[in-house]
Amino acid sequence: QKEVEQNSGPLSVPEGAIASLNCTYSDRGSQSFFWYRQYSGKSPELIMSIYSNGDKEDGRFTAQLNKASQYVSLLIRDSQPSDSATYLCAGNTGNQFYFGTGTSLTVIP
Amino acid sequence: NAGVTQTPKFQVLKTGQSMTLQCAQDMNHNSMYWYRQDPGMGLRLIYYSASEGTTDKGEVPNGYNVSRLNKREFSLRLESAAPSQTSVYFCASRGGAGLSYNEQFFGPGTRLTVL
Repeated sequence: QKEVEQNSGPLSVPEGAIASLNCTYSDRGSQSFFWYRQYSGKSPELIMSIYSNGDKEDGRFTAQLNKASQYVSLLIRDSQPSDSATYLCAGNTGNQFYFGTGTSLTVIP
Repeated sequence: NAGVTQTPKFQVLKTGQSMTLQCAQDMNHNSMYWYRQDPGMGLRLIYYSASEGTTDKGEVPNGYNVSRLNKREFSLRLESAAPSQTSVYFCASRGGAGLSYNEQFFGPGTRLTVL
């Protein structure tokens, strides 16, 4: 069974702080990893994808991948109240994708 | 460019009734997916279509059927709805160029209640 595990939280950070979200995966054959943001009652929105070991930065977001440790993380710098949402980690092996249950993030003004 | 669209947005069924959820994408993607999302369970794959003319079971296919009507459209059918199928259903597509090939994009979802 391929699995992606996340701490469900909730995670609370003050506005302007760094939010750190973590994810581990079980399938060493997984090729790509993704972070989705999901607001309550809405669909998942892709915010970051990462394919190779190391860091990938896009604006206030940094994704980190460590395939040896089977670990993926997302850092959100200068957190804003609008970042309050559930963040889903996902990996794919071939045509199939596996999602974690999500981490709920609240940014406190 | 609408991305991925789904109809209907909401539906209430009685146990035993049937219905079809529709999904369409205008991104010229090859692959399309149906997921369900339940509280505490995350997104679970029901069926997927890697390319036009092919469909495959995912993690939770029982009670569902799918049709890849053409490259744009992928429908999900519940033949005899059960209360356990109460969920939010998301369609997604995948197949951009280059490194974006594995990126999935989701439709707005269908909230289904089976009484």
